[in-house]
Amino acid sequence: QLQLQESGPGLVKPSETLSLTCTVSGGSISSSSYYWGWIRQPPGKGLEWIGSVYYSGSTYYNPSLKSRVTISVDTSRDQFSLKLTSVTAADTAVYYCARISYYYDSGRPAWFDPWGQGALVTVSS
Amino acid sequence: DIQMTQSPSSLSASVGDRVTITCRASQSISSYLNWYQQKPGKAPKLLIYAASSLQSGVPSRFSGSGSGTDFTLTISSLQPEDFAAYYCQQSYSSPPTFGPGTKVDIK
Repeated sequence: QLQLQESGPGLVKPSETLSLTCTVSGGSISSSSYYWGWIRQPPGKGLEWIGSVYYSGSTYYNPSLKSRVTISVDTSRDQFSLKLTSVTAADTAVYYCARISYYYDSGRPAWFDPWGQGALVTVSS
Repeated sequence: DIQMTQSPSSLSASVGDRVTITCRASQSISSYLNWYQQKPGKAPKLLIYAASSLQSGVPSRFSGSGSGTDFTLTISSLQPEDFAAYYCQQSYSSPPTFGPGTKVDIK
């Protein structure tokens, strides 16, 4: 059974960089059938897709965050990572990693399943 | 970006009730619509993809329908474990966007 687990600091100072890693177990991140990505949810609010990465390193980002986001993959460790720079209090959220089914013709995300349990990241001095 | 709305934002229902949640897209998205269930403190779980396809392992009391701009998620007989928030998500164009959610609680 595929499982995903987020890890990283739970507290980040304003203007610094948020870094999270997702470890995949029970399956390989090198599958050609899926992308891997990040979604966030501010406390009490809705869900926002951040971006996705393929095992080859190809990436898609949400234009609203593109200037601050980098997602990378480490196939040797079955991990992928998120970096979000210049964070503010508005970036406080639960960050989820997920496996992403995609449309082969365009590469755009289809649906997200399964998800990690989530990691709360608070931006505060 | 395609905007997604849901109605109602919350509802109260009893065990055994038939529950219907509506999702509307700001433009036609064909059948590129997915539904998720989220329980408090937990990650979302995929229920329905491509508007009406039931994800493996999801009980058959959940069903989805619709195309174009209007979609529904129906729970045919609400069970105690179904009290949760439900989100729709469009995958017609990037970025994928989610609805604001519908919270189903106990009457």
